[in-house]
Amino acid sequence: DVKVTQSSRYLVKRTGEKVFLECVQDMDHENMFWYRQDPGLGLRLIYFSYDVKMKEKGDIPEGYSVSREKKERFSLILESASTNQTSMYLCASSKGQAYGYTFGSGTRLTVV
Amino acid sequence: GQSLEQPSEVTAVEGAIVQINCTYQTSGFYGLSWYQQHDGGAPTFLSYNGLDGLEETGRFSSFLSRSDSYGYLLLQELQMKDSASYFCAVNEANAGKSTFGDGTTLTVKP
Repeated sequence: DVKVTQSSRYLVKRTGEKVFLECVQDMDHENMFWYRQDPGLGLRLIYFSYDVKMKEKGDIPEGYSVSREKKERFSLILESASTNQTSMYLCASSKGQAYGYTFGSGTRLTVV
Repeated sequence: GQSLEQPSEVTAVEGAIVQINCTYQTSGFYGLSWYQQHDGGAPTFLSYNGLDGLEETGRFSSFLSRSDSYGYLLLQELQMKDSASYFCAVNEANAGKSTFGDGTTLTVKP
């Protein structure tokens, strides 16, 4: 069964901490994505990557960075966590434009 | 930029048929996808339309009209477990990144 695995289901961090959210897929997909989902705001794209070491900003990249050193792993980094980054973070991967995403189970991050 | 519109809520009874519409304004359109998300869960992929017409997968069908920038998801023989949020999403040519609509909450009543 193909999978996208996010390292944590729930996370609580303090304001100002550097936070790493990890995502691993086992489908050999080229494309990987990080979204956040907030009530009333839907799913918003933070960053995406179409190849190892390649990354592009999505719609809301401010306060975030990403790393893709290996094809199967795509990490989201919150450089200095703030309370407005409290959210559900969803990682996804896909084969390409003509395919849907496979999502991970999500990480619910609370910044206090 | 991208813009998608879908109804915020739909209610139907078990066994009925429901249609969730999605209109979009976009650049770099490649196709339209649909996802289901239950409360507390992650979205799961339902269907993809790259060409005009109907795609059928069991009780679910999806339709696309590229000339009208319009698509819909059709759910037949509704079951209680179909109560969930449904999102349409534009697949873009750039790395297949997707922009999602705000979602339609479907409530199925007995």
